[in-house]
Amino acid sequence: GQNIDQPTEMTATEGAIVQINCTYQTSGFNGLFWYQQHAGEAPTFLSYNVLDGLEEKGRFSSFLSRSKGYSYLLLKELQMKDSASYLCAGMDSNYQLIWGAGTKLIIKP
Amino acid sequence: ETGVTQTPRHLVMGMTNKKSLKCEQHLGHNAMYWYKQSAKKPLELMFVYSLEERVENNSVPSRFSPECPNSSHLFLHLHTLQPEDSALYLCASSQAQQGLSGANVLTFGAGSRLTVL
Repeated sequence: GQNIDQPTEMTATEGAIVQINCTYQTSGFNGLFWYQQHAGEAPTFLSYNVLDGLEEKGRFSSFLSRSKGYSYLLLKELQMKDSASYLCAGMDSNYQLIWGAGTKLIIKP
Repeated sequence: ETGVTQTPRHLVMGMTNKKSLKCEQHLGHNAMYWYKQSAKKPLELMFVYSLEERVENNSVPSRFSPECPNSSHLFLHLHTLQPEDSALYLCASSQAQQGLSGANVLTFGAGSRLTVL
């Protein structure tokens, strides 16, 4: 079956670095997405990886290893506004998105 | 307005009521989606209208009925719902390009929070 696993909740300190992991099992693979969702708001697109390696966008970076079925989202210089849920989604061979249950990130001062 | 707009933001209904959720996108996208989001569960795709074709998840009960009158508007008609249908219903749109991966970045609305009593 197809599956996305990510931690349910993580806590980190303002100014620090946090890494949110995601492992995936999909029928074929056409890339992996990360979305951010603040409480009561719409999920918003953060990143898309289809090739191995690290892609950096400001304070946020996303990494993919296709051979390991593994991705992570790296958040640097954490700010209070980064408190949100982070959703990982893999795209299978039919271009269907398989979603994880999301990781709730709590930032403490 | 820009982006994806959903109304109402909150809805409380009894099991015998009929109501509708509305979604409108101002992005010129050609695909629209309904997702169900329950606490601590993955997003569940309910319906897709893409390039004027409807694709649905066969596990969605018939008490949910979608309607897509044009590429900018999407409705979800609700009838005789059950308490377990209480959830956040998210609408999304994208520029669907058949056979191309990565192009289908979704733009979501803020959702309609549904409570069924």
